[in-house]
Amino acid sequence: DAKTTQPNSMESNEEEPVHLPCNHSTISGTDYIHWYRQLPSQGPEYVIHGLTSNVNNRMASLAIAEDRKSSTLILHRATLRDAAVYYCIPQNYNQGGKLIFGQGTELSVKP
Amino acid sequence: NAGVTQTPKFQVLKTGQSMTLQCAQDMNHNSMYWYRQDPGMGLRLIYYSASEGTTDKGEVPNGYNVSRLNKREFSLRLESAAPSQTSVYFCAIALGQGRWTYGYTFGSGTRLTVV
Repeated sequence: DAKTTQPNSMESNEEEPVHLPCNHSTISGTDYIHWYRQLPSQGPEYVIHGLTSNVNNRMASLAIAEDRKSSTLILHRATLRDAAVYYCIPQNYNQGGKLIFGQGTELSVKP
Repeated sequence: NAGVTQTPKFQVLKTGQSMTLQCAQDMNHNSMYWYRQDPGMGLRLIYYSASEGTTDKGEVPNGYNVSRLNKREFSLRLESAAPSQTSVYFCAIALGQGRWTYGYTFGSGTRLTVV
């Protein structure tokens, strides 16, 4: 499985953009990059995923480096509800598509 | 967490007791998973099932058994509970199958304490 490196924690101010980085230098060419987040006392929830191109949805944007060794999750305007642990997960398609979670980044949002 | 129902939500066991955690889905997804999350840690995969009648080991399968009797239900059994199994257990379902699995949906968790 590809190893990931994420900051342990980050802080943001409410209504400002947040850029959450992730390094996955050992990712293989067929691994999709998934992002999930876990709000306090809840199960993880899907945020976004992509392969090579940048991706956008109603929750966030995903910017993937050209060499695919890193990616950045972008929250365009952080809200207090975005305070959570964010997990970057390269999904190994050769191992049945399982999601293997790392430690994630704990994002705190200040009013 | 609509679509994935876990029971019970809380449980306290004595060391050596057995119990089964239940997970049921109403989204007709093929793939189902059991994870555990210890305090302050990320999730670890215990077992998964790519389709009805099949199961495979994840990262931390020791001390657990699973059963996928039909498409809707995936149960996790602790035969002889140990304090090290104190954790929050999450069931998840996913769209697709095998290589093309995506869009995981997680249940709200079962908080298990073994004393």
